[in-house]
Amino acid sequence: DVKVTQSSRYLVKRTGEKVFLECVQDMDHENMFWYRQDPGLGLRLIYFSYDVKMKEKGDIPEGYSVSREKKERFSLILESASTNQTSMYLCASSPMDRGETQYFGPGTRLLVL
Amino acid sequence: AQSVTQPDIHITVSEGASLELRCNYSYGATPYLFWYVQSPGQGLQLLLKYFSGDTLVQGIKGFEAEFKRSQSSFNLRKPSVHWSDAAEYFCAVGNNAGNMLTFGGGTRLMVKP
Repeated sequence: DVKVTQSSRYLVKRTGEKVFLECVQDMDHENMFWYRQDPGLGLRLIYFSYDVKMKEKGDIPEGYSVSREKKERFSLILESASTNQTSMYLCASSPMDRGETQYFGPGTRLLVL
Repeated sequence: AQSVTQPDIHITVSEGASLELRCNYSYGATPYLFWYVQSPGQGLQLLLKYFSGDTLVQGIKGFEAEFKRSQSSFNLRKPSVHWSDAAEYFCAVGNNAGNMLTFGGGTRLMVKP
């Protein structure tokens, strides 16, 4: 079974703090993704990585950065958290080919005060 | 640019009744189409996907979806809904570049006893 784990289910941070969200997958997938989920907006892609140290911006990268130093781990970084980054964050992984299933982690619900 | 529209934000059906969730997509080529389900507090799970061949696709949990190119639609159906089907459902389209997905806004399904 594919397993995607996220470091925290719930996080509370203060405005201006640096926030790290970590994601680990155990299926040797090339692709990893970070999404943000907001009511009525569905999932929006923040960043995408197709290989170690490689990344592509998604639809809403502003205010975020990512790091992929090892194939199994993909981190999302909020350099200076703001209240409008309060959201659910979902990580996913997939094999590299188009049409392959993305496998999702349980999500991290982040509250920025 | 590709897009996905799920016209119904909320749907309520009685247990045992049939279900159809609508999905319309915009994409310039033959699309890869997906339906995912998110149960409360969980990550997303793939229900089914389409990328070629038979336009009626069978998925898990008794769900099916039909691809209609002329209507740019990929509606999800189930003949008899169970209380455990209460969840949020997301339609997504895959693009040409790698394996990125664009998601619709989601439809929240409630099941009446």
